[in-house]
This record gives sequence, structure tokens and C-alpha cells, in this order.
Amino acid sequence: QKEVEQNSGPLSVPEGAIASLNCTYSDRVSQSFFWYRQYSGKSPELIMSIYSNGDKEDGRFTAQLNKASQYVSLLIRDSQPSDSATYLCAVKDTGRRALTFGSGTRLQVQP
Amino acid sequence: DGGITQSPKYLFRKEGQNVTLSCEQNLNHDAMYWYRQDPGQGLRLIYYSQIVNDFQKGDIAEGYSVSREKKESFPLTVTSAQKNPTAFYLCASSITETRTYEQYFGPGTRLTVT
Repeated sequence: QKEVEQNSGPLSVPEGAIASLNCTYSDRVSQSFFWYRQYSGKSPELIMSIYSNGDKEDGRFTAQLNKASQYVSLLIRDSQPSDSATYLCAVKDTGRRALTFGSGTRLQVQP
Repeated sequence: DGGITQSPKYLFRKEGQNVTLSCEQNLNHDAMYWYRQDPGQGLRLIYYSQIVNDFQKGDIAEGYSVSREKKESFPLTVTSAQKNPTAFYLCASSITETRTYEQYFGPGTRLTVT
């Protein structure tokens, strides 16, 4: 069974700070990685996808991928209270067209 | 407006009854998925379908059944054989030809079985 690991948190940061969310995965040949944001009681929303080693920036979000270390992270700059949510990391399975999700990290941004 | 719809939003059933959850998409996506989410946990894959009239079991398919008779629709039946059916059920879809594998979710159905 492929695994995707995340610290459940909560990760608490002050408003305006950088929030750093981390994810490790077990399948070393995985090629596609995703970050989803899930507000309480709602469905997940895709915020970033990353396929190559290095950084990918989109507004206040930066995804970082290191395939050698089997590690993917999400940085949120200038964190806002509206960023308070659970962030799910997902990895595309090899051998089937499906994703494996981590259990999520709960982020709390304190005003 | 393109999107994925799931109905109903909340569903209550008595133990021993089968129940069918609806999922419809007008995004023209080929692939559709069903996940289950329990409190404080991630998503677990129940079934997925890459094309009409074909579907595969996910990691927790026991006690569930699906059909894919139309590209737009992928209903999930929770049977009485599912031991712990109370959960948040999420349907997703994705394009397959670009091989980006990005999945987009519907609003979910919260099922309570007593």
C-alpha cells in the first residue's frame, strides 16, 4: 500500500507569517503531486499541482518538490485567517490512474 | 456553469437499507472517482472509472457498488453489507488525455446510518 504522510497539526501561525506544510510519500517513482485545501464541512479544492523537482509559485502559494528525498511541501506567504483549513497532500499512484491522499494538516492562522 | 453535482447533501438511512448517492458532471471529463472521508482522516478511494461501462475497485470497495452507463454520471450504491457506512462521500472527476491527473471534487454527500 502506497503511503502519503502528513503531520496532522494543528499548525498555528500568526497572520502575515509564512506557513510551511510538509508531506512525504513512499512510492519513489511517483511523478505527480497535488495540494488540496479543505474547509471544515466542505469538499477539497485543488490549489497546486507539481510534476518536476524544484519550486512552483502561484500567488501566495509555493509548492516545492524533491523527488530524491520523496518530499513535497507547500508554503503559504502572508498567511491570512481565511487560509485556516486542512491541507491535503495527494500523490498520483503508479500502476493506476488514481491518487493517494494524506490525512491532512490543519492550519490555523491567528489574527 | 461547469461542475460536479452530488445529491443529496445530507442523507439519513436505517441500518440494513441500500442507498444510492448521485454524482453528475458536465465538465466532459472521462474519469470519475468515489472517495470516503471519515472525521479527521484523509480520503480513501472506493471505486473509479476511466471510461463509460468500465470501472475498477479502489482500496475500500467492499460493501459498495457503482455503474457508469453515461459519461456524465457515476452513481454509488452503499449496500447493507458495508459495516460502517456513516461518512462523508466525495465524488471527483478528471481529464485523462492531458495526463495531468488533476481531480476536481463535488460538494459531497454526508450519509448517516442509524
